[in-house]
Amino acid sequence: GAVVSQHPSWVICKSGTSVKIECRSLDFQATTMFWYRQFPKQSLMLMATSNEGSKATYEQGVEKDKFLINHASLTLSTLTVTSAHPEDSSFYICSASGTGSTLAKNIQYFGAGTRLSVL
Amino acid sequence: GQSLEQPSEVTAVEGAIVQINCTYQTSGFYGLSWYQQHDGGAPTFLSYNALDGLEETGRFSSFLSRSDSYGYLLLQELQMKDSASYFCAVRVYNAGNMLTFGGGTRLMVKP
Repeated sequence: GAVVSQHPSWVICKSGTSVKIECRSLDFQATTMFWYRQFPKQSLMLMATSNEGSKATYEQGVEKDKFLINHASLTLSTLTVTSAHPEDSSFYICSASGTGSTLAKNIQYFGAGTRLSVL
Repeated sequence: GQSLEQPSEVTAVEGAIVQINCTYQTSGFYGLSWYQQHDGGAPTFLSYNALDGLEETGRFSSFLSRSDSYGYLLLQELQMKDSASYFCAVRVYNAGNMLTFGGGTRLMVKP
């Protein structure tokens, strides 16, 4: 089945530093990747959608200069939280959808998430 | 935009059957998905309905009524491991595979 790897799974950083989160599709070509933020016991809030080779589309209220997204290849997207502050502490999850002979359509495959704690 | 409503919490006992409802309001509706998420884990795909009717996959089934803007997830022969959050999510036309998620239903299965 389709596998999406997200790294790191957990990161603690000091306020003001930047943190990069990687999302890789391991066995399929991810034409589209999505980045979500999730607070405890709440739903997944879409932050941005990225298509390989083009600029990400950010949801309303998400600062694109704060959350830098790069989707440079069909298997890798990165989210960089720049100048992180305690209010950025959250669970960040990526997902991917794409094409392939064994890949089901209409499905997003999720990474395991990254728990970010900013001190 | 889209909005989805589902109950925040449901409790059931092992071996029972539970139904989690989802109503949605959206324009350009394309399909309804269900995802399961255990605490601290990744959401995993359960089912997808684009047409009216029931889709069955093992102990889980999902139903859609497009005319009623309504769907449900049915879990049979509940097991303790089914304790998790369940999210319905809508897909709309001209948005690719982008999903809008409901608030999630926390299912607690008791012995």
